[in-house]
Amino acid sequence: DSGVTQTPKHLITATGQRVTLRCSPRSGDLSVYWYQQSLDQGLQFLIQYYNGEERAKGNILERFSAQQFPDLHSELNLSSLELGDSALYFCASSPLAGGTIGELFFGEGSRLTVL
Amino acid sequence: DQQVKQNSPSLSVQEGRISILNCDYTNSMFDYFLWYKKYPAEGPTFLISISSIKDKNEDGRFTVFLNKSAKHLSLHIVPSQPGDSAVYFCAATPTGTASKLTFGTGTRLQVTL
Repeated sequence: DSGVTQTPKHLITATGQRVTLRCSPRSGDLSVYWYQQSLDQGLQFLIQYYNGEERAKGNILERFSAQQFPDLHSELNLSSLELGDSALYFCASSPLAGGTIGELFFGEGSRLTVL
Repeated sequence: DQQVKQNSPSLSVQEGRISILNCDYTNSMFDYFLWYKKYPAEGPTFLISISSIKDKNEDGRFTVFLNKSAKHLSLHIVPSQPGDSAVYFCAATPTGTASKLTFGTGTRLQVTL
């Protein structure tokens, strides 16, 4: 158990819909990262937050947005969903700010299926 | 553009033998490399890392080798155990961007009895 909690574990929805994925980081960790893993792909970095502020951005679509709340949990919002958004979405946390190499602790992931 | 490549989707090794998982990268800015292990229905877990100032890092049964000139790294597991059966991801990052990791597509290792 990494200490990172993601909900929901599975989600099935239709094209055009909007969903919210939630992540609670390990106790004390200030950084939260979101990664997307599509079929047969590596994990693609989406976005990082540190203590409530956006720290780094990857190839995140404009239809996607995220935020980190004062209690440090984070939400990833996916809107106008397309079939290609079906993927496993991982949240990870670390205690270090960006700029320092560190180990990431991953949650179990949220599997999104868009029909 | 796949900047971190794991060209072997799967590998089968007998228990007790050596497992060698390979990874190639193309981005010259990468100078810190990590291996993660993933079991089904779980998130990836950190296994071992290496900085570009080294060419080898060892942790118990796991050793990572880095060949900077070839932009190649490998993970050796000796001896392999059935519990090592998992998907192994290679990841890389430029030190300045810390944990913004670029992952490979993974290699599924099966350790047979």
